[in-house]
Amino acid sequence: AQSVAQPEDQVNVAEGNPLTVKCTYSVSGNPYLFWYVQYPNRGLQFLLKYITGDNLVKGSYGFEAEFNKSQTSFHLKKPSALVSDSALYFCAVSPLYGNNRLAFGKGNQVVVIP
Amino acid sequence: GAGVSQSPSNKVTEKGKDVELRCDPISGHTALYWYRQRLGQGLEFLIYFQGNSAPDKSGLPSDRFSAERTGESVSTLTIQRTQQEDSAVYLCASSLGRESGGNNSPLHFGNGTRLTVT
Repeated sequence: AQSVAQPEDQVNVAEGNPLTVKCTYSVSGNPYLFWYVQYPNRGLQFLLKYITGDNLVKGSYGFEAEFNKSQTSFHLKKPSALVSDSALYFCAVSPLYGNNRLAFGKGNQVVVIP
Repeated sequence: GAGVSQSPSNKVTEKGKDVELRCDPISGHTALYWYRQRLGQGLEFLIYFQGNSAPDKSGLPSDRFSAERTGESVSTLTIQRTQQEDSAVYLCASSLGRESGGNNSPLHFGNGTRLTVT
């Protein structure tokens, strides 16, 4: 069954510095990969997805993620973090073929320090 | 437009009681998911509905949990004889699913129902 690992519990970064949130995945065959964000007291929102094609995917709010098949990773990045980026970030994976179950990681709390 | 709507937003119940949680998906979304989010933990898959296909119930933690969906509309998640470990936020999500967008359609989440079992 598909699974996601987000190894860090919390990521602290100073405002204006680059932000990276790590994600590795396990899936049978090729993956669909997603990042979702959960702001305080709000529901989860879709950020970006990787299906096929260019390994660098650009999404909402200036975020991007790079698919690395050999390392089975899909790290989320932002060149310059904002205080408003402080939130809970979830990586998710489902197989390209087969079941449609989207498996989520445990989430990473990102804290951007002013 | 309207998003995914869940009710109630909060539910406090006594141990042993049954509860019913409701989800109204986005109109036209054929796929509907239920997830559970315990405090400090990730999203735990519960059940998935896709059109008229048999639901994927593989994530339901016990036979106390069940879910139904009326066509491609409202879904209810029922927990019988609630236990304290059932306390969590129950999230519903819908997507275009297979027919319109294939497996790659992003999920649209509701704000969840916070269930507290005392």
